[in-house]
Amino acid sequence: ELKVEQNPLFLSMQEGKNYTIYCNYSTTSDRLYWYRQDPGKSLESLFVLLSNGAVKQEGRLMASLDTKARLSTLHITAAVHDLSATYFCAVTYSGGGADGLTFGKGTHLIIQP
Amino acid sequence: KAGVTQTPRYLIKTRGQQVTLSCSPISGHRSVSWYQQTPGQGLQFLFEYFSETQRNKGNFPGRFSGRQFSNSRSEMNVSTLELGDSALYLCASRGQGASYGYTFGSGTRLTVV
Repeated sequence: ELKVEQNPLFLSMQEGKNYTIYCNYSTTSDRLYWYRQDPGKSLESLFVLLSNGAVKQEGRLMASLDTKARLSTLHITAAVHDLSATYFCAVTYSGGGADGLTFGKGTHLIIQP
Repeated sequence: KAGVTQTPRYLIKTRGQQVTLSCSPISGHRSVSWYQQTPGQGLQFLFEYFSETQRNKGNFPGRFSGRQFSNSRSEMNVSTLELGDSALYLCASRGQGASYGYTFGSGTRLTVV
């Protein structure tokens, strides 16, 4: 059974600071995704990471993937209040064919002025 | 281009009733997957359809079922509703190719009373 663990689950930080969210998964997976969810809203896609060593950046967010360690990180640089949201990582089961995402529990991020 | 459309946005049902939710994927996307989001269990995978075939199913009772039509639109049905079925139900569509991410609809908020 594929399991995904995120930490921390809750993070309160100040604007201007840097921080990293970690995502570990239990079995081989061929794709890793990061999503953002605002309260009462749906999921917004941030990154799709496909291969070992993949690094993607968008604004103040940067995601990386280490398939050997089964670890992905989402790094926040110089946080701003607008980044306050819940962030989820998710993986698909390796083996092709069937699809479907297994999610972590999410990291509730609050960025204070 | 139009996103993923879910209808209805909100539903209130009584225990024991059944409900059908609808999802229209992005044009050209043939994979549709469904997820249940609750505060206690988080985001959980229900099932995934591709070209009218269910390819993958999560760990949910048989009361939860779905189907996909030839135009890739999908429906999910929950019979004999229980209070614990109250949740946000999200569907996602995905294009073909590893680099495609999952695009989520706005969700259907189901309340069972």
